[in-house]
Amino acid sequence: EPEVTQTPSHQVTQMGQEVILRCVPISNHLYFYWYRQILGQKVEFLVSFYNNEISEKSEIFDDQFSVERPDGSNFTLKIRSTKLEDSAMYFCASSGSWPYKTWENTIYFGEGSWLTVV
Amino acid sequence: EDKVVQSPLSLVVHEGDTVTLNCSYEVTNFRSLLWYKQEKKAPTFLFMLTSSGIEKKSGRLSSILDKKELFSILNITATQTGDSAVYLCAVILNTGNQFYFGTGTSLTVIP
Repeated sequence: EPEVTQTPSHQVTQMGQEVILRCVPISNHLYFYWYRQILGQKVEFLVSFYNNEISEKSEIFDDQFSVERPDGSNFTLKIRSTKLEDSAMYFCASSGSWPYKTWENTIYFGEGSWLTVV
Repeated sequence: EDKVVQSPLSLVVHEGDTVTLNCSYEVTNFRSLLWYKQEKKAPTFLFMLTSSGIEKKSGRLSSILDKKELFSILNITATQTGDSAVYLCAVILNTGNQFYFGTGTSLTVIP
């Protein structure tokens, strides 16, 4: 079964450092997303990406964050100048078609990358 | 502000019990409601509901949507310890492609 893969599974970084979280979405999918889940809290939308540009972003996704699709397979989330409150599980996800047209299988999530900022 | 609320926040039951999880929403331009099961890491898809009153069923799990009263329920019958997880409800709108998640219901099934 196709899957979204994420690396690293866990990263510990010092406050102020930059981190890059990597994702390989399902190969024929067109839409890519990053979500965040702080421990004990709900899953929060960060950003969606389509056709090599950001299509939607939340208030959380400020100038500290950026996304990129550097080649045909990877989708990355960069977090600059990390803060303690950035510690969370970051989920990458992908979907095949525009959600509000015909689609069957919804959004597929990766296993997540645990980021711990110390 | 759009909102998705789940109840109860947590639930502990014995194996064999039946549970009902609730999700209510206050959003504009509602498109669909989805249920996910989150165990250790990534949420896994359970159901997508778009039309009111049509029950979706998969084994011991079933779900239904009421678009008039703006809520959905997820039922699990004959619960097993493997059903222990956080169950997430999410709503997607017609006007965008992001999913709004509720806080989840943590279900613990004890033998």
